[in-house]
Amino acid sequence: EAGVAQSPRYKIIEKRQSVAFWCNPISGHATLYWYQQILGQGPKLLIQFQNNGVVDDSQLPKDRFSAERLKGVDSTLKIQPAKLEDSAVYLCASSRVPSGAYNEQFFGPGTRLTVL
Amino acid sequence: LAKTTQPISMDSYEGQEVNITCSHNNIATNDYITWYQQFPSQGPRFIIQGYKTKVTNEVASLFIPADRKSSTLSLPRVSLSDTAVYYCLVGGGMDSNYQLIWGAGTKLIIKP
Repeated sequence: EAGVAQSPRYKIIEKRQSVAFWCNPISGHATLYWYQQILGQGPKLLIQFQNNGVVDDSQLPKDRFSAERLKGVDSTLKIQPAKLEDSAVYLCASSRVPSGAYNEQFFGPGTRLTVL
Repeated sequence: LAKTTQPISMDSYEGQEVNITCSHNNIATNDYITWYQQFPSQGPRFIIQGYKTKVTNEVASLFIPADRKSSTLSLPRVSLSDTAVYYCLVGGGMDSNYQLIWGAGTKLIIKP
């Protein structure tokens, strides 16, 4: 089966600009996650969707970050305006079930964002 | 939410068994313990998950003592390709609001 697809793979922008990332999860996976991974750190969950509803967005900086999951499939994460500290890898993952046992998350390759 | 503590880094040699221990003193009753592996410039990859006692799959074993306050990932006969960062996650249960917290991980370096 096809894996989680993300685009773009790399993005360089200047601070205060906007940027958007796209994710296509594995077919049939109802749960989709966006993570931020700063160099040398573990992934930090930004938002979790179950179908097209938000399960957890407690760590999403809502003043500048937004995410949507249209029709419960593809998802877009947007940053507007970007700050220097947003430089990180943005990972998208999907899973068949949202929690508990058998919650194996499948990750995409990530988008490396550099904010200058 | 349960936090995890792992060694920052470990070294070993090809052919050896490697054990990485994770401490999670405040694990909730219905939390699971999950390990992921991450190579540079890639997303993490699921290794193994357990709730109690021992779990084994084709790549690793997970040992969980009765009090569940720690767990040990065991990688048998490692090779150079096992050099990666390994993350221990605890959570996913109802008492944790189904959340998973990722720590900083353990950087494992396998030497020839």
